[in-house]
Amino acid sequence: AQTVTQSQPEMSVQEAETVTLSCTYDTSESDYYLFWYKQPPSRQMILVIRQEAYKQQNATENRFSVNFQKAAKSFSLKISDSQLGDAAMYFCAYRSANTDKLIFGTGTRLQVFP
Amino acid sequence: ETGVTQTPRHLVMGMTNKKSLKCEQHLGHNAMYWYKQSAKKPLELMFVYNFKEQTENNSVPSRFSPECPNSSHLFLHLHTLQPEDSALYLCASSQGQGPEETQYFGPGTRLLVL
Repeated sequence: AQTVTQSQPEMSVQEAETVTLSCTYDTSESDYYLFWYKQPPSRQMILVIRQEAYKQQNATENRFSVNFQKAAKSFSLKISDSQLGDAAMYFCAYRSANTDKLIFGTGTRLQVFP
Repeated sequence: ETGVTQTPRHLVMGMTNKKSLKCEQHLGHNAMYWYKQSAKKPLELMFVYNFKEQTENNSVPSRFSPECPNSSHLFLHLHTLQPEDSALYLCASSQGQGPEETQYFGPGTRLLVL
């Protein structure tokens, strides 16, 4: 069975600085998708960025980028120029190409200090 | 706002009560999902509907009963719940069920079972 591990329950960063959130996953499949979701205190989960496993190029979305290491089964999220509005829970998620299930990690709470 | 609404936002019920959670999506999507989010645990997929047909039941106890009358509405009927069922219940929708599809989440219903 696939699993997703986020080993950092909490992280903090100063405004304008860069922070990296870690995520590792376990799978025997070769075709899958990886996601980072953000859940602010208002609780509405929002997609931040998505990576297709067959793509070698790391996904980038404005200040958010990933470091996808397929062999190491690692999928970290880098937030550059951190802003106060980035404070939230961040969830890493995995989805096989063969199932309906989105498998989530336990989340990392990010605090941003002015 | 992601185009997915949930009511009520908060619910307190006794173990003998019957209540229903409602989800509505305004995105023209065909797939809808119920997730359970408990403290310090990964989000757990409960049910998946595609074109009003249930395609996934993730071994959910029968005291949770989903209903999908059309592609825009999803209900979760609750009866004889247990205190350990207290959690945040999230609804999501996606255009299709493909693994590349982005799921859009509602704000959730915070449920407390006494």
